[in-house]
Amino acid sequence: DVQLVQSGGGLVQPGRSLRLSCATSGFTFDDYAMHWVRQSPGKGLEWVSGIRWDSGVIGYADSVKGRFTISRDNAKKSLFLQMSSLRPEDTAFYYCAKGDSGGSSHEFDYWGQGTLVTVSS
Amino acid sequence: DIQMTQSPSTLSASVGDRVTITCRASQTIGDWLAWYQQKPGKAPKLLIYRASTLESGVPSRFSGSGSGTDFTLTISSLQPDDFATYYCQQYYSYWTFGQGTKVEIK
Repeated sequence: DVQLVQSGGGLVQPGRSLRLSCATSGFTFDDYAMHWVRQSPGKGLEWVSGIRWDSGVIGYADSVKGRFTISRDNAKKSLFLQMSSLRPEDTAFYYCAKGDSGGSSHEFDYWGQGTLVTVSS
Repeated sequence: DIQMTQSPSTLSASVGDRVTITCRASQTIGDWLAWYQQKPGKAPKLLIYRASTLESGVPSRFSGSGSGTDFTLTISSLQPDDFATYYCQQYYSYWTFGQGTKVEIK
């Protein structure tokens, strides 16, 4: 079975950093693109960042560009999101999601359980 | 950026009802559209991709249609397990979600 298990959320002060992790199993990790999606409490879904199977193509939403860095370790079948210069508006549940292909146009067929990031002093 | 607009935002319906949710893209996206179901406290679940292809394991009462800019998700006979929030997502250019449609009990 495909599994995406997230870790690393929590409470952090504005301006500080936090790293999210997503450990995967049940599929050939290095065949697929991976993504981060967030959801502010009670709000809708926002794509945050995505990375191609080989890390050769990376994209970010304008709202996080220059502050967040996505990466992956294919040997460890894991996805990461390094979040820096955090703002209160970054408060959200963060989900990792598996793309349904290694390339560009694809939907997200499996999701992690979500982890809450709260940015507050 | 491509904007996705869903309607209605909230829909009240009864078990057995036929339910239709619409999603409009701000520019043509071909059939690069997916639909997701999300229940409170849970991650979204993929229902339909490429506008009309049912994901494996999803009940056949769910169907999708449309291309270009206008899309619909239809639930042919609403079941108790279907009360949830539904999101469309375009993946023609990056990824954008609609604002969601909450299907609640009438």
